[in-house]
Amino acid sequence: DADVTQTPRNRITKTGKRIMLECSQTKGHDRMYWYRQDPGLGLRLIYYSFDVKDINKGEISDGYSVSRQAQAKFSLSLESAIPNQTALYFCATSGVTGTHNEQFFGPGTRLTVL
Amino acid sequence: AQSVTQLDSQVPVFEEAPVELRCNYSSSVSVYLFWYVQYPNQGLQLLLKYLSGSTLVKSINGFEAEFNKSQTSFHLRKPSVHISDTAEYFCAVRGNTGGFKTIFGAGTRLFVKA
Repeated sequence: DADVTQTPRNRITKTGKRIMLECSQTKGHDRMYWYRQDPGLGLRLIYYSFDVKDINKGEISDGYSVSRQAQAKFSLSLESAIPNQTALYFCATSGVTGTHNEQFFGPGTRLTVL
Repeated sequence: AQSVTQLDSQVPVFEEAPVELRCNYSSSVSVYLFWYVQYPNQGLQLLLKYLSGSTLVKSINGFEAEFNKSQTSFHLRKPSVHISDTAEYFCAVRGNTGGFKTIFGAGTRLFVKA
């Protein structure tokens, strides 16, 4: 079974709709991240969380919100989707010790906003 | 703050030929350096990393990268590529002074042709 899972894998929605992307992990990591990937821009950090009570904005948080429901779950919401939020979204996790410098990624959610 | 520049957006190469994917970074502090690989329709996975010690690091599938502090580079090389190496490769940097944020380059798409 995958260590980091994302649902849905693909989603097409319309402008103005509320969308939630979900991420679950079985790695036991405290740190979780949401990134978006756009062609030619690499990955950009949207939000990150170091534990259930710690939520922080990344470099492109406008238009997004997150919820850390449990250590293993971290959801990303688009309250009112717009076309320029069309992108590939990745959830990632990392630990604090051991391989703490490495991030582990989910398979991604491809979101299209019409 | 750190930044990463991947000098080539696409690199086409014939099977069994050598390849080099270039990465330069900037940072005001010492860094950890990473190469991640993204195969089609998958998330990113760690290929190799430099944390400290030997400046030449190797992956299990024949890739290697050398940390060059004076040139602030971390180029990825493979002496003989396979069709299965076709993927997008991301260079990433993280400050090693207690910060957590990993900065990703824009990616280099490697096409291996038969």
